[in-house]
Amino acid sequence: GAGVSQSPRYKVAKRGQDVALRCDPISGHVSLFWYQQALGQGPEFLTYFQNEAQLDKSGLPSDRFFAERPEGSVSTLKIQRTQQEDSAVYLCASSLLRGREPQHFGDGTRLSIL
Amino acid sequence: QKEVEQDPGPLSVPEGAIVSLNCTYSNSAFQYFMWYRQYSRKGPELLMYTYSSGNKEDGRFTAQVDKSSKYISLFIRDSQPSDSATYLCATTPRGKLIFGQGTELSVKP
Repeated sequence: GAGVSQSPRYKVAKRGQDVALRCDPISGHVSLFWYQQALGQGPEFLTYFQNEAQLDKSGLPSDRFFAERPEGSVSTLKIQRTQQEDSAVYLCASSLLRGREPQHFGDGTRLSIL
Repeated sequence: QKEVEQDPGPLSVPEGAIVSLNCTYSNSAFQYFMWYRQYSRKGPELLMYTYSSGNKEDGRFTAQVDKSSKYISLFIRDSQPSDSATYLCATTPRGKLIFGQGTELSVKP
């Protein structure tokens, strides 16, 4: 497809479990971003990749959150030892280059921690 | 204080009305501004992208930026039920987007 693809669309996990969320950006897009969106709120920045390099991870809420993009394409956001406050929609976005180019979003993964 | 403030609504208008959505921001260094539309259980979709002060029009949508008052607006003319969604304003200082809370809009037939 032409857009950003995220999987799974929905994920339910028990508190304490590890989860992995996948993002397939638009082909050829250099920049990839992860955002967290709580219910009724705007998305909040988590981390940013330019190709395979993670250039900004200032938004990751704790060291339980880890993201990678080993080949500069697909990215995975991993959350270890999940907690209830991790319940949110996790959005991935990509853009052609870094900086001010428009970001294109996927439909997100809705994570529920029981 | 949040860097981008937006009234969450909800806002309900009749079909055909003119809708005005607004945000304020705190950092005068911000220069690029965006409006995204987000339908329920979908990702944000870029509507408008503007640089610095002034107006930009695209069909029924007009984005306005007033840097002197740090105020950004989105106007929707002849609103349609299909415009019912959450509208998010955003700015980008260095790549990452900073969003407002989003305004939930409902256009009634």
